[in-house]
Amino acid sequence: EPEVTQTPSHQVTQMGQEVILRCVPISNHLYFYWYRQILGQKVEFLVSFYNNEISEKSEIFDDQFSVERPDGSNFTLKIRSTKLEDSAMYFCASSNDEAFFGQGTRLTVV
Amino acid sequence: RKEVEQDPGPFNVPEGATVAFNCTYSNSASQSFFWYRQDCRKEPKLLMSVYSSGNEDGRFTAQLNRASQYISLLIRDSKLSDSATYLCVVNGEDSSYKLIFGSGTRLLVRP
Repeated sequence: EPEVTQTPSHQVTQMGQEVILRCVPISNHLYFYWYRQILGQKVEFLVSFYNNEISEKSEIFDDQFSVERPDGSNFTLKIRSTKLEDSAMYFCASSNDEAFFGQGTRLTVV
Repeated sequence: RKEVEQDPGPFNVPEGATVAFNCTYSNSASQSFFWYRQDCRKEPKLLMSVYSSGNEDGRFTAQLNRASQYISLLIRDSKLSDSATYLCVVNGEDSSYKLIFGSGTRLLVRP
């Protein structure tokens, strides 16, 4: 069964460092998303991506965040200068209608 | 008003019980509705889409009331393995690609 894969599963980084979270969406899906979930809180929308550009983004997705689809398969989320409050589980998802999620990257900023 | 609102629970029920979760959404232009299940520290997994006419998948029944902007999920004959958080998910507005998640309702099924 096709699935969304994310790497790494866990990333620890120092405050102020840049991180890149990687995702391989399901191959025939057209829409891609990043969500985050702070421990114990709800799943929050960050950004959606369609036709090689951002289609929507939330208030959380400020200038320190960027997304890219560098080739035909990968979809990345970059956080330029991480803050302590960026510590969360980051989920990538892809869809044509129903969205399917990757297993997530747990980001810990120390 | 929250975009998608759910009772956080927890709902603590015995095996075999029937349990119902409700969800309300604020955007009348929303067109797509889903129930996801999330186990602790895992990714959300699609449980079922919710169609206007209502739909059933085994022990699970989902219903949509557009007039009241209300979605429900009914689980019959609860199993221990049903213990999880159930997330109501709605798309932002007509043709929006953004899925908005409720905070989830936690279900605990006890032996």
